[in-house]
Amino acid sequence: NAGVMQNPRHLVRRRGQEARLRCSPMKGHSHVYWYRQLPEEGLKFMVYLQKENIIDESGMPKERFSAEFPKEGPSILRIQQVVRGDSAAYFCASSPPDTSYEQYFGPGTRLTVT
Amino acid sequence: QKEVEQNSGPLSVPEGAIASLNCTYSDRGSQSFFWYRQYSGKSPELIMSIYSNGDKEDGRFTAQLNKASQYVSLLIRDSQPSDSATYLCAVNAESTFGNEKLTFGTGTRLTIIP
Repeated sequence: NAGVMQNPRHLVRRRGQEARLRCSPMKGHSHVYWYRQLPEEGLKFMVYLQKENIIDESGMPKERFSAEFPKEGPSILRIQQVVRGDSAAYFCASSPPDTSYEQYFGPGTRLTVT
Repeated sequence: QKEVEQNSGPLSVPEGAIASLNCTYSDRGSQSFFWYRQYSGKSPELIMSIYSNGDKEDGRFTAQLNKASQYVSLLIRDSQPSDSATYLCAVNAESTFGNEKLTFGTGTRLTIIP
């Protein structure tokens, strides 16, 4: 049973470029969450999505960041005009459509902005 | 006041001893509590979930929850060098959209000394 998949695993972008991070949830999971982990800091919630719906984006920066989870295909976290402060590990997690709230994490995408 | 607090450590425990990790949380409405293990450079791995007061045991791991004291702990018996990692406490934060969003502590770094 494949786990949560994320790609790319490593992404290098120059300041001002766009970064696109992709996440495919575990089979049977319909809830997707994005978290960011800055160096030496804890995991911070960014956004929670279900298919074709953003449920909670209270952790997303107001500008340059967006997320989607289309009917077909992976969830995408998009960062426009990246800055050095965006350098971090971005983790996607998924959970099944029940009330256990257990979230399983993918391997992460490590974004480096030069 | 931080929403989820953990002793940052580092915590060093001799091999074969019991490692005790502690966590307190501020939101009295929290319903679900989780412990994740994160090896350096890797993604968080769910190791325990607990939803009701008392103890929950799974192999060498025991989670303890006391909602009145807003306290959750993780005990690791017969500690092994492979248990050396950062342990993250996570709490579901009650939100307008339901209880899915997780709030993480900054983690406790555990080192098992052979």
